[in-house]
Amino acid sequence: DAGVIQSPRHEVTEMGQEVTLRCKPISGHNSLFWYRQTMMRGLELLIYFNNNVPIDDSGMPEDRFSAKMPNASFSTLKIQPSEPRDSAVYFCASSFWAGISTNEKLFFGSGTQLSVL
Amino acid sequence: KQEVTQIPAALSVPEGENLVLNCSFTDSAIYNLQWFRQDPGKGLTSLLLIQSSQREQTSGRLNASLDKSSGRSTLYIAASQPGDSATYLCAVRKDAGGTSYGKLTFGQGTILTVHP
Repeated sequence: DAGVIQSPRHEVTEMGQEVTLRCKPISGHNSLFWYRQTMMRGLELLIYFNNNVPIDDSGMPEDRFSAKMPNASFSTLKIQPSEPRDSAVYFCASSFWAGISTNEKLFFGSGTQLSVL
Repeated sequence: KQEVTQIPAALSVPEGENLVLNCSFTDSAIYNLQWFRQDPGKGLTSLLLIQSSQREQTSGRLNASLDKSSGRSTLYIAASQPGDSATYLCAVRKDAGGTSYGKLTFGQGTILTVHP
């Protein structure tokens, strides 16, 4: 398996522009997570999906952020309009959730390094 | 709200030394704990997963222990090598019945440097 695939690897944009980050989870996984990593705040969970349904978006910092999962093999995280403080590494991760009694491992993509000028 | 703390924030050791990384969490109602490794510019890779009912897990030179009641975990690395240089993060999954779907809370990580 190719693992969790994220694109682009790097994104440089100007303040006010729309940014779309993409993620393809591991085939067969049913839970997908979007994280943001900065030096100051570490890894923050933004939103996660189970079976393509958003479960908890309480980590999404503002209405400028939105995420979708139209099918089991694709998810997007959109920032509109982008601001310099959004600069960070954005990770997508997936796992197979089989119920509360399982011990699933989380698999991460390589991340998207976002720089908003 | 669960908080995960890792000490030290950074550690530099000579090759061959045995070392211990520490992780503590405020809410002992966890289901499991994972240790991850992150190389610069890369994503995280799961190293070890300890279930709340377990005391330790081993993989090669790595040994992770868990004391759930005291809210502590340690990652022991034996005979460290320069290739072990990376950031190590611990993460806990809350025992929230069927509503957590595997959601993890991460510590800030320990940056490990093993010099030849």
